[in-house]
Amino acid sequence: QKEVEQNSGPLSVPEGAIASLNCTYSDRGSQSFFWYRQYSGKSPELIMSIYSNGDKEDGRFTAQLNKASQYVSLLIRDSQPSDSATYLCAVNMRYDYKLSFGAGTTVTVRA
Amino acid sequence: EAQVTQNPRYLITVTGKKLTVTCSQNMNHEYMSWYRQDPGLGLRQIYYSMNVEVTDKGDVPEGYKVSRKEKRNFPLILESPSPNQTSLYFCASRPRGLNTGELFFGEGSRLTVL
Repeated sequence: QKEVEQNSGPLSVPEGAIASLNCTYSDRGSQSFFWYRQYSGKSPELIMSIYSNGDKEDGRFTAQLNKASQYVSLLIRDSQPSDSATYLCAVNMRYDYKLSFGAGTTVTVRA
Repeated sequence: EAQVTQNPRYLITVTGKKLTVTCSQNMNHEYMSWYRQDPGLGLRQIYYSMNVEVTDKGDVPEGYKVSRKEKRNFPLILESPSPNQTSLYFCASRPRGLNTGELFFGEGSRLTVL
């Protein structure tokens, strides 16, 4: 079982719609969770971090964490063409500084 | 400007010819790491370093070496490159704390081994 799994893409959404990205992780003791955005040919950049159960909102982005279900998600509201990128879920494993990444979900926002 | 600098950005080499990809950060970060990125596999950790002279294997260390003699530098060494090491490589750094998940990435080094 992979440590971090993301829903396979690609995900295509119309401009203005909500894009929903999902991620599950294997280590129940994981402490911190992150979403990175990576444009084609560029390096990943952090867009959201979440550490406790519930929702965290930042502009058009909302991260949701459910530790009991070992599930973290990212919602992108009012999707824009500039949101077209690959989104990487990353999890800090318990007692470890290792940050494990999922394979990524590619999002395309159609104008 | 705070940054992680990798060199070279692009490299084509042949099987067996030793090469080094350099990585340097100017943010005084304790933690540094190397990842490789391949289509469909995401970012996989090769090696990481918690501090000077402290290094450890990640998920895919075979065929790679690293060293951490200075805090700012963390070179990746391919002693005898093979075609399956053709990939996009990222160096990253961050402060030491567990909840500081923001990795600062270099721009990437695209390596082709013929």
